[in-house]
Amino acid sequence: TQLLEQSPQFLSIQEGENLTVYCNSSSVFSSLQWYRQEPGEGPVLLVTVVTGGEVKKLKRLTFQFGDARKDSSLHITAAQPGDTGLYLCAGAALTGGGNKLTFGTGTQLKVEL
Amino acid sequence: GAVVSQHPSWVICKSGTSVKIECRSLDFQATTMFWYRQFPKQSLMLMATSNEGSKATYEQGVEKDKFLINHASLTLSTLTVTSAHPEDSSFYICSASRQGAGDTQYFGPGTRLTVL
Repeated sequence: TQLLEQSPQFLSIQEGENLTVYCNSSSVFSSLQWYRQEPGEGPVLLVTVVTGGEVKKLKRLTFQFGDARKDSSLHITAAQPGDTGLYLCAGAALTGGGNKLTFGTGTQLKVEL
Repeated sequence: GAVVSQHPSWVICKSGTSVKIECRSLDFQATTMFWYRQFPKQSLMLMATSNEGSKATYEQGVEKDKFLINHASLTLSTLTVTSAHPEDSSFYICSASRQGAGDTQYFGPGTRLTVL
């Protein structure tokens, strides 16, 4: 079973602060995706990283895929209340996974004014 | 593009009854659909994977006779929770993938099931 551990589990910060969320596994993934989910809604895809060492930026969000494709991080600069939500990483199996995703344990972020 | 809908968005039922949840890909043909369950403050747990016209593949620990999945067309999959009990109360989310999109799954908005 492939497990994805996210840290921290909960994070409450003030508007304008920076934060980093980590997603770690002992397994190698063909790709890794980050989602944000708001209460009562389905997860929304933020980014997909495929290449080891890849860095992608989405406005104030920076995503990095580890060189060995086992881990990833999400860094948010100058957080805003609109960034509040549940952040989930999800890894796609390297082979034979049939496109299955394994979701991380989740990081609940709250950004306060 | 790549919109997935679910119906109903929420449902309340009595213990012992069955509930059907629909998942539709609105603007693409879904080669594979996935069903997840999510408890409050927790992550998504994959329940089963279904391909059009074939039997669903269930994850370990998921009762296939309790959670019936039908994927009769390339745009529709249904999940029926049979003889529902309060412990089945959860947020059920489906997703769909399509050919040529790699590992990308497109998620529905979820269905909140409450069993009284």
